[in-house]
Amino acid sequence: GESVGLHLPTLSVQEGDNSIINCAYSNSASDYFIWYKQESGKGPQFIIDIRSNMDKRQGQRVTVLLNKTVKHLSLQIAATQPGDSAVYFCAVRYGQNFVFGPGTRLSVLP
Amino acid sequence: DAMVIQNPRYQVTQFGKPVTLSCSQTLNHNVMYWYQQKSSQAPKLLFHYYDKDFNNEADTPDNFQSRRPNTSFCFLDIRSPGLGDAAMYLCATSKVGDTQYFGPGTRLTVL
Repeated sequence: GESVGLHLPTLSVQEGDNSIINCAYSNSASDYFIWYKQESGKGPQFIIDIRSNMDKRQGQRVTVLLNKTVKHLSLQIAATQPGDSAVYFCAVRYGQNFVFGPGTRLSVLP
Repeated sequence: DAMVIQNPRYQVTQFGKPVTLSCSQTLNHNVMYWYQQKSSQAPKLLFHYYDKDFNNEADTPDNFQSRRPNTSFCFLDIRSPGLGDAAMYLCATSKVGDTQYFGPGTRLTVL
């Protein structure tokens, strides 16, 4: 099977600082990884994804890093803004489906 | 434009009274999923359809059923809701093995 965990359930950062959210997975056969952002009362929103043939992928203010050796995934948010406050989930593909990590709640301090 | 639509956004039902939640999509994706999400927890997969093929997760209670009459629509039926079924129910769609796109969710309250 696959299990997915996160290192920190909550993270507080100062507005303008960079944020790093981490995720660990168990199955070395996992080949596709997604980060979702979920705001209160809303469904998860796709942020960025990465496949196992890559170790880094960048989007607008976000970067995902994949370390397959230690089965670790991270999401970096540059210049964190108040609108980034949300719960962030990593999702790891296992077979046909995805297994979600427990989530990290990001709070942005003024 | 909304791509995955869920109705209603909020549903209140009484203990034991059947309820149906609906999901529709404009993406023409062949896979549709239903997740249950309780407060401060990750979404938990209940079942998914690959086209018309129904796939139930092993730990999904029999109280939960699903129907997919066509590509665009999928329904979640809760036959006898208990207090423990109060949650956010999320519908998602994808191409096979690809990114899942979620709807806004239906928050179910059981009185």
